[in-house]
Amino acid sequence: RKEVEQDPGPFNVPEGATVAFNCTYSNSASQSFFWYRQDCRKEPKLLMSVYSSGNEDGRFTAQLNRASQYISLLIRDSKLSDSATYLCVVNIPPFYNQGGKLIFGQGTELSVKP
Amino acid sequence: SQTIHQWPATLVQPVGSPLSLECTVEGTSNPNLYWYRQAAGRGLQLLFYSVGIGQISSEVPQNLSASRPQDRQFILSSKKLLLSDSGFYLCAWRPTYRVGVNTEAFFGQGTRLTVV
Repeated sequence: RKEVEQDPGPFNVPEGATVAFNCTYSNSASQSFFWYRQDCRKEPKLLMSVYSSGNEDGRFTAQLNRASQYISLLIRDSKLSDSATYLCVVNIPPFYNQGGKLIFGQGTELSVKP
Repeated sequence: SQTIHQWPATLVQPVGSPLSLECTVEGTSNPNLYWYRQAAGRGLQLLFYSVGIGQISSEVPQNLSASRPQDRQFILSSKKLLLSDSGFYLCAWRPTYRVGVNTEAFFGQGTRLTVV
């Protein structure tokens, strides 16, 4: 089983649509979670961290369910500029005080059409 | 402010040739450093990470190696490249680990390697 798994894409949606991405992780000791965005042929950049109580940043809402080991990202009122690949990221906790390692899901491609 | 530099941006190498990719970080000390590879249309695969000088953890057995000769320098190497080594190589850094603090990783602009 992969350490981090995401919905396979691509998602093709019209402008203004609401779209949800799902992600599951296998290591129950994982401590921190993120969503990254990657534009074509560019490096990934942080979209938002995911907190236990859930968090919102404008049109973006992230949720974490530790019991189910599940993370989600909701995008409301999709814009053309939201077209990108969205990567779920999980921090595997440190071992013997070493730094944690960030494991990426395979990404879900979103294409927002006019 | 902190910056990360990775070079070269693109590289075309013949099969069997050596490889050396360099990554440096400025404006911070004792960062955690990472090398990832992304094959075309795929996710990021963690190759190596380092929590300090000379400390390297390997995630995937293959013909690549990594070294950290200085605190803010991380090098990815190969003695003989394979066709399957083609991909987008990304270096990243995070602040040194602290209990209870979640920190994001910051990426370099990547090296697009084509092995021919």
